[in-house]
Amino acid sequence: GAVVSQHPSWVICKSGTSVKIECRSLDFQATTMFWYRQFPKQSLMLMATSNEGSKATYEQGVEKDKFLINHASLTLSTLTVTSAHPEDSSFYICSAAPGQGDTQYFGPGTRLTVL
Amino acid sequence: GDSVTQMEGPVTLSEEAFLTINCTYTATGYPSLFWYVQYPGEGLQLLLKATKADDKGSNKGFEATYRKETTSFHLEKGSVQVSDSAVYFCALIRGSQGNLIFGKGTKLSVKP
Repeated sequence: GAVVSQHPSWVICKSGTSVKIECRSLDFQATTMFWYRQFPKQSLMLMATSNEGSKATYEQGVEKDKFLINHASLTLSTLTVTSAHPEDSSFYICSAAPGQGDTQYFGPGTRLTVL
Repeated sequence: GDSVTQMEGPVTLSEEAFLTINCTYTATGYPSLFWYVQYPGEGLQLLLKATKADDKGSNKGFEATYRKETTSFHLEKGSVQVSDSAVYFCALIRGSQGNLIFGKGTKLSVKP
């Protein structure tokens, strides 16, 4: 149980285009979802926290207009990287929790490469 | 701000060796502490956790004890297996939303 999927698992796009990454909780309802970014040989950095039906809360230094997060249902959250640039290339990981403060269950991650 | 520091990897051990991965934290108050494991090609999985001082979390032969006096949560296993090869992350939880603060991760490779 408690499986979280991400799609796509990897994506290559041209600079200036937008990319959408989906995060789904497959067997539970996720009140809260989190988006992380992981650079090579570095830790996971929290980008934003989203609760179903409300606006996401972004961490300091994360551009909310560049990284659009939508948590439209209790099983789906999306991260859209708008006008992507090579510096946005990274590994993006989502997690989902049944409730605030509950154990987070992580997706397998999405590798984004911007050419 | 809150932070987690864990030992640099990679760590390479022979099968059945003893494992210790050090983790220390800086935080206001007494946060819950976690170890997550990421096997190759998979997402992070919760390995164990401890919610208060002197608690010991354990799972799959791994153990970690919440030490508030040394602000540490070191991960140990008495006899590692090849299947334990993975990246291990120490983390603490912050705030009512349950935001996790991660260490940088330690890659463990176990050789037969």
